[in-house]
Amino acid sequence: GAGVSQTPSNKVTEKGKYVELRCDPISGHTALYWYRQSLGQGPEFLIYFQGTGAADDSGLPNDRFFAVRPEGSVSTLKIQRTERGDSAVYLCASSPLWGTSGGASTQYFGPGTRLTVL
Amino acid sequence: EDQVTQSPEALRLQEGESSSLNCSYTVSGLRGLFWYRQDPGKGPEFLFTLYSAGEEKEKERLKATLTKKESFLHITAPKPEDSATYLCAVPLRRHSGAGSYQLTFGKGTKLSVIP
Repeated sequence: GAGVSQTPSNKVTEKGKYVELRCDPISGHTALYWYRQSLGQGPEFLIYFQGTGAADDSGLPNDRFFAVRPEGSVSTLKIQRTERGDSAVYLCASSPLWGTSGGASTQYFGPGTRLTVL
Repeated sequence: EDQVTQSPEALRLQEGESSSLNCSYTVSGLRGLFWYRQDPGKGPEFLFTLYSAGEEKEKERLKATLTKKESFLHITAPKPEDSATYLCAVPLRRHSGAGSYQLTFGKGTKLSVIP
């Protein structure tokens, strides 16, 4: 079946502009995650959705970052007043709600959106 | 403090030269350890999940093992197409919802296999 898709694949913007990044998860996956990956680093958690609500937004770096998932499927990550330090690859992942034998469920990642702030 | 450390940072192998990548973790109450492969410009691709010490999983030339403190990704007779960055991750904090966890990743091991 179809995997996680993200659009756009690349986004170049100027400092101070507003951007939206879109994630379409695997059909039927209740859980959706956003991560950010800088060069040479592993992905870092930003925000988690269970259904329509943001269950954990503790990884968002500041109030310029916001994400929504209004119908429990597609999610949009929104960044206001972009700064050069926001340049990174933004990854979306989705997973079933339940893992195996009480463990964590496997997260499947999309291809990412490379954001460059000039 | 919970953390994940991968070594080496980079590994260069000749085609057919077997080796192992290491992922050590300090997490109480491990709820799984995940291995991913990441090619340049792409998102992480899921490889394995290990849930308990002693567990092993295999896929083609890759075998993942888990102890109480670390995991190894063994690569047997690698080919150039195995070149990628290999990431390991552990679930750090449980969210509302039974299996939903925030993943903490290591920095990865960049593997290069030379023909």
